[in-house]
Amino acid sequence: GQNIDQPTEMTATEGAIVQINCTYQTSGFNGLFWYQQHAGEAPTFLSYNVLDGLEEKGRFSSFLSRSKGYSYLLLKELQMKDSASYLCAVRRDYKLSFGAGTTVTVRA
Amino acid sequence: EAGVVQSPRYKIIEKKQPVAFWCNPISGHNTLYWYLQNLGQGPELLIRYENEEAVDDSQLPKDRFSAERLKGVDSTLKIQPAELGDSAVYLCASSSSAQVEGEQNIQYFGAGTRLSVL
Repeated sequence: GQNIDQPTEMTATEGAIVQINCTYQTSGFNGLFWYQQHAGEAPTFLSYNVLDGLEEKGRFSSFLSRSKGYSYLLLKELQMKDSASYLCAVRRDYKLSFGAGTTVTVRA
Repeated sequence: EAGVVQSPRYKIIEKKQPVAFWCNPISGHNTLYWYLQNLGQGPELLIRYENEEAVDDSQLPKDRFSAERLKGVDSTLKIQPAELGDSAVYLCASSSSAQVEGEQNIQYFGAGTRLSVL
């Protein structure tokens, strides 16, 4: 199975950078996903990593180290609309296992 | 392009009553998933369909939960009878097994049905 750990909450200032860490233990690995979920809304896909390294998509970047069972999501130039829960998910075959999510609060 | 559509958005019922949720996946997506999300937790898979076949229902409590996807498109999830502990958000997601570059079987989620059992 998978044990996926991420911090419960993080707070940052508008315009700043925040890094959300995710560690996992899994008996199989087919990729790691990050989703954003605003309260009462659908989780929306942000990024996907299957190989080690950094994937950059605009203000959001995601990093993966398979040997360390570690990923992070980097949010740059924070905006108020970035206040949301960020879910780390590990895929084994076609099954996604999610962490509990990190609630990010952006303050003015 | 329309996303994953779920209805109803909210449902309030009394315990022991039946309830059903409906999901219409993204057009062309052959894989459909039902998840349960408790407050402050990540989604947990209940069942996965490939077309009309349930290929993974190991986490579905079959004594009270059932699901169907008769024509391989939209799907319903039913609880009968509902219990207090079933209060949660029920999410539907879909993905395409077609190997489109950059898609990587990304799962796209609907907004969910928030169930309250009183």
